[in-house]
Order: sequence, then structure tokens, then C-alpha cells
Amino acid sequence: ILNVEQSPQSLHVQEGDSTNFTCSFPSSNFYALHWYRWETAKSPEALFVMTLNGDEKKKGRISATLNTKEGYSYLYIKGSQPEDSATYLCAFTGGRGGNNRLAFGKGNQVVVIP
Amino acid sequence: GAGVSQSPSNKVTEKGKDVELRCDPISGHTALYWYRQSLGQGLEFLIYFQGNSAPDKSGLPSDRFSAERTGGSVSTLTIQRTQQEDSAVYLCASSLGPEGTLSYEQYFGPGTRLTVT
Repeated sequence: ILNVEQSPQSLHVQEGDSTNFTCSFPSSNFYALHWYRWETAKSPEALFVMTLNGDEKKKGRISATLNTKEGYSYLYIKGSQPEDSATYLCAFTGGRGGNNRLAFGKGNQVVVIP
Repeated sequence: GAGVSQSPSNKVTEKGKDVELRCDPISGHTALYWYRQSLGQGLEFLIYFQGNSAPDKSGLPSDRFSAERTGGSVSTLTIQRTQQEDSAVYLCASSLGPEGTLSYEQYFGPGTRLTVT
């Protein structure tokens, strides 16, 4: 069983504030770490895939970092907007060359308050 | 191009009935995955297809669950004699497959919300 933990589980953020959350994952047999954004009744949308220790990715106001040696990733939202309200999913892929099944955390549910 | 599609988007069924959930992956994607999210839980892996074969069925929760894939494309997840604990959102994802350069990137459909009453 691959334990992927996300914290905090839910948070309310005032519009304009910045926020961040954490994903921890097994540090052994690492292949890739994924962040998805999931709005109700829509498909989870891929935000980032990171494979190398020290990776930093950015997409608009959202960015992510990766530490494979200690097994954690941070997702940052700068200047939160109401459209950022969603559940952010972290997923781990282990074992390069395997079937690439994803092991997910429970998600970070974000509500941005106007 | 077209993304992953799933049908139905919502399904309400009575306990004990059988249901079929359908997934149409992105054209050319050889790998296909089924996941589900039950209330209060994270997304959990159910089954993986490479082409029409399913080398990893380890996530199927019971023998009431089965899945098939035909023509290397459409997949159907069947749940027999549904139980209330089967209520969940069922998501399908596809990817290029192990030979693809970015084989780990998975593209998701919008899901089927199954409610067993």
C-alpha cells in the first residue's frame, strides 16, 4: 500500500491571500509526482508532473516543488482567486517501467472566499 | 482533440441490480485505468489495461467487479449485484502507454457518479 498524505484536508482562503499545502509520499522507488486540480462534475485537470528531485514547476499563479529524498511536494497558490476553488490532488507513481498506476492522497479542498 | 469521455455521468440504481459504466479513452492511448472515489476517501486504483489485456486487476474490490476493453479502445466496468458501499465516483483515465515518452501522464474523464439506493 502506497501512503500519500495531503494536508490540510480543507481550507478557506480569503481572495488575494496566498496559500500552500503539502503532499508526502514514499521516498523509495520514486518515478513521478503529479498534481491535479479537480472541480466538481469536471475531469481532474493535470497541473504538474515532476520527476526530478528539486523540480519546481509554475503555471500562472500556481507553483509546485518536489523533494524526492524526503518524500514531499508543496503546492503554492499566490493571490488566490475564486476560480481557484477546487480540490487539489497529489498522486504518486512508483516503479519506473511499471504500469504507472497512480496512488492518490485524499486531496486538499480549497474554497476561496470573495 | 477529444478527451476522455465517460457515460453515464450519473447513475442511480437499486441495491442488487447490475450496472455498466463506459469509458472512451483518447484515440491512440494504449493504457487505460479505472479509479474510484468513495465518500471521504482518496481516489483508489481499480484496474489497468494495456491494449485489451488487464495485467493489473489488483484494485478490484470484489468478484462482483469486472472490466473489459475491446479494440484497444472502449472499456466497460461492470458491477454485479450492486451494494450501497459501491456508491462512488468512478473515473477513467488513459495514457500513451509504457512505450510513450511521457508514459506516466494520465488524462481523466469527468467520471460517473454512481448512487446505490
